[in-house]
Amino acid sequence: ELKVEQNPLFLSMQEGKNYTIYCNYSTTSDRLYWYRQDPGKSLESLFVLLSNGAVKQEGRLMASLDTKARLSTLHITAAVHDLSATYFCAGNRIQGAQKLVFGQGTRLTINP
Amino acid sequence: GAVVSQHPSWVICKSGTSVKIECRSLDFQATTMFWYRQFPKQSLMLMATSNEGSKATYEQGVEKDKFLINHASLTLSTLTVTSAHPEDSSFYICSALQGSGANVLTFGAGSRLTVL
Repeated sequence: ELKVEQNPLFLSMQEGKNYTIYCNYSTTSDRLYWYRQDPGKSLESLFVLLSNGAVKQEGRLMASLDTKARLSTLHITAAVHDLSATYFCAGNRIQGAQKLVFGQGTRLTINP
Repeated sequence: GAVVSQHPSWVICKSGTSVKIECRSLDFQATTMFWYRQFPKQSLMLMATSNEGSKATYEQGVEKDKFLINHASLTLSTLTVTSAHPEDSSFYICSALQGSGANVLTFGAGSRLTVL
């Protein structure tokens, strides 16, 4: 059974700093997703990673996938306050079926 | 881009009543939709997979008689919480799969249910 674990669960950082959120998953997943959620809102899709070694970047966020280590990372570069949100990673429980298993979420607070 | 609309965005009801939440794909056809629930400050848990023209597939532990799902058309799935109780208060989020075999999942804005 696929389990997805994120760490840290809470992260408070200063603007301008870099940090990484880690997402470990227990069994094979044919893709790995990253989402952002603002308080009281639904999910905003950030990245879909499909293969080993995949790296995707959008602005100050960069996601990578290591399928051998069953690890995905979300790296934040030179954080700004607008990036404060909860970030979820999710794996696909059944190949091709899009039945997502979410991590616990990482609540990121970026202080001026 | 693909848009999934949920309605209502929030609802308050009395204990024992039933509430229907709609999930519509606005500019694409979705043969498969998914319903999640999210308790405050927690993660999302998949409740069921809604398939157009067939019965929904429920996840383990989800009561199918309590959470009725209907996917009568390629653009609409509904979730009805029957005989709602305070413990059913949650944020319900649907997502729709765009096209068969596609990687694209689009999430609705969510529906916040409060049962008094």
